Amino acid sequence: EPEVTQTPSHQVTQMGQEVILRCVPISNHLYFYWYRQILGQKVEFLVSFYNNEISEKSEIFDDQFSVERPDGSNFTLKIRSTKLEDSAMYFCASSERRNTGELFFGEGSRLTVL
Amino acid sequence: GDSVTQMEGPVTLSEEAFLTINCTYTATGYPSLFWYVQYPGEGLQLLLKATKADDKGSNKGFEATYRKETTSFHLEKGSVQVSDSAVYFCALIIQGAQKLVFGQGTRLTINP
Repeated sequence: EPEVTQTPSHQVTQMGQEVILRCVPISNHLYFYWYRQILGQKVEFLVSFYNNEISEKSEIFDDQFSVERPDGSNFTLKIRSTKLEDSAMYFCASSERRNTGELFFGEGSRLTVL
Repeated sequence: GDSVTQMEGPVTLSEEAFLTINCTYTATGYPSLFWYVQYPGEGLQLLLKATKADDKGSNKGFEATYRKETTSFHLEKGSVQVSDSAVYFCALIIQGAQKLVFGQGTRLTINP
């Protein structure tokens, strides 16, 4: 069964360092997303991406964050200069259709900022 | 704004017990409602959905009915199994929007 895969599963970094989280969405999906969950809090939407453009982003997704689809398979989230409060589980997701709640999620990448 | 509130966890039950996990929502527009489940070590998976009032979503013995009058979408199962142990997330998406709005998740543990 097709699945969304994410790497790394866990990354530890120092405050101020750049981090790139990688995702391989399901191959025939066209819409891509990042969500995050800070420990003990709700899963929050960060950004959606379609046709090589951001289609929607949340207030959390400030200038420190960027997303990219560098080739036909990967979808990345970059945090330019990490802060302590960026420590969270980051989930990538993809979907076949726009404006749908039927997303396919990866297992998540846990980011720990020290 | 739009929000989802779930019952506090963790919830611990014995096998074959009846399960209810409460979920209520606040929405500025017309929402579709979802339950997602996250088994240990896995990503969130869609469990069931309902797109309009009075719809009942069902899957794997779980059910939830979209109640517009009470703005609720409670998850139920008549007889839980150990394999149902997971974290359950209630979520909504407003018609025409792109982002899912999640509740805080409810950890369910089923003991044999």
